[in-house]
Amino acid sequence: TQLLEQSPQFLSIQEGENLTVYCNSSSVFSSLQWYRQEPGEGPVLLVTVVTGGEVKKLKRLTFQFGDARKDSSLHITAAQPGDTGLYLCAGGRGGSQGNLIFGKGTKLSVKP
Amino acid sequence: EAGVAQSPRYKIIEKRQSVAFWCNPISGHATLYWYQQILGQGPKLLIQFQNNGVVDDSQLPKDRFSAERLKGVDSTLKIQPAKLEDSAVYLCASSHSDSYGYTFGSGTRLTVV
Repeated sequence: TQLLEQSPQFLSIQEGENLTVYCNSSSVFSSLQWYRQEPGEGPVLLVTVVTGGEVKKLKRLTFQFGDARKDSSLHITAAQPGDTGLYLCAGGRGGSQGNLIFGKGTKLSVKP
Repeated sequence: EAGVAQSPRYKIIEKRQSVAFWCNPISGHATLYWYQQILGQGPKLLIQFQNNGVVDDSQLPKDRFSAERLKGVDSTLKIQPAKLEDSAVYLCASSHSDSYGYTFGSGTRLTVV
């Protein structure tokens, strides 16, 4: 069974701090996606990484896919209250026409 | 572009009753997914459709859950009879065959009492 372990489960920080969320597995994935989910809404795609070692930046967010395509990290610089939410990583099986396995998520709270 | 539409948003039923959820994906998205998200957990795949054919239903509890996607567009997920442990948010998502990313609907929050 393929599993994705996310850490930490909960994170509460002050505005302006930096943070890193980790997503680890013993399985190799064809892609790794990160989503953010707010209460009462569905997850919203932030980024997709498909190449081992790939790094993508989205404003203050930096995403990295491990060289072996088994793990990923999300780093947020100078967090803002608007970054508050549940961050989910998802491993892709079977390419763009496959499906995703999700981790349990990291619940981030950024206090002003 | 219109998003993925789901209805109803909320549903409360008693155990052993039946319930149905509806999803209309983004126009042109051939692939449709139903996920179950229990409180405090990540979404878990129930079923994947490619057009109107089932690609993966290995985690669908087929003794009580059923899903269909007639004409390869909108889809219905049914639970009959419901159990207390079915209380969750049911998320529908769609994707284009050439794209990795999913677009999710807002979900249906089901409470079984």
